[in-house]
Amino acid sequence: GAVVSQHPSWVICKSGTSVKIECRSLDFQATTMFWYRQFPKQSLMLMATSNEGSKATYEQGVEKDKFLINHASLTLSTLTVTSAHPEDSSFYICSVRGGGGNIQYFGAGTRLSVL
Amino acid sequence: AQSVAQPEDQVNVAEGNPLTVKCTYSVSGNPYLFWYVQYPNRGLQFLLKYITGDNLVKGSYGFEAEFNKSQTSFHLKKPSALVSDSALYFCAVILNQGGKLIFGQGTELSVKP
Repeated sequence: GAVVSQHPSWVICKSGTSVKIECRSLDFQATTMFWYRQFPKQSLMLMATSNEGSKATYEQGVEKDKFLINHASLTLSTLTVTSAHPEDSSFYICSVRGGGGNIQYFGAGTRLSVL
Repeated sequence: AQSVAQPEDQVNVAEGNPLTVKCTYSVSGNPYLFWYVQYPNRGLQFLLKYITGDNLVKGSYGFEAEFNKSQTSFHLKKPSALVSDSALYFCAVILNQGGKLIFGQGTELSVKP
């Protein structure tokens, strides 16, 4: 399956700063990537669908000005959490859809802690 | 609306015993069904999928799942559990090609020696 690299794996930042998370598809050209948020011991919540060369599609209730997504190439999508606050602390995971049967392959996730 | 349910928050099994993690779905149409596993502080790893064909699907690490259309279920099974199988397991469904992946709530599997 596709290999997905996510960086950083862990980030701590001060309230009010912005944090960028990178998601790379290492062996597959991904026109579509997905960004999820996960709270401890809970399921994944789809935040947005990232489309190469065009605007991301955000799920209802997700602030697009707060969570900026850029998908400038077929191998890289970034999620920027702008003016982060403690309530943004969470585990963020990206995925790539590849291969037959709509399989999604996930990055290792980024744990964001906002102080 | 499409949904996936995992009725058990936690499943406890002794090492060497068979394990079952339950999943039921509610969709209109023919679903694409998936199982993923998540280890602590990690992303999800794909285990297996059902698209069409044989109802019994075999996947990674000795896991298998059986698609039951009449019961709208897709339970994950393994004949002999290992301690290393302890993790969080997610069932997921896509209604059709290119659709969104909808996850169940997750089931924490604990395998004790």
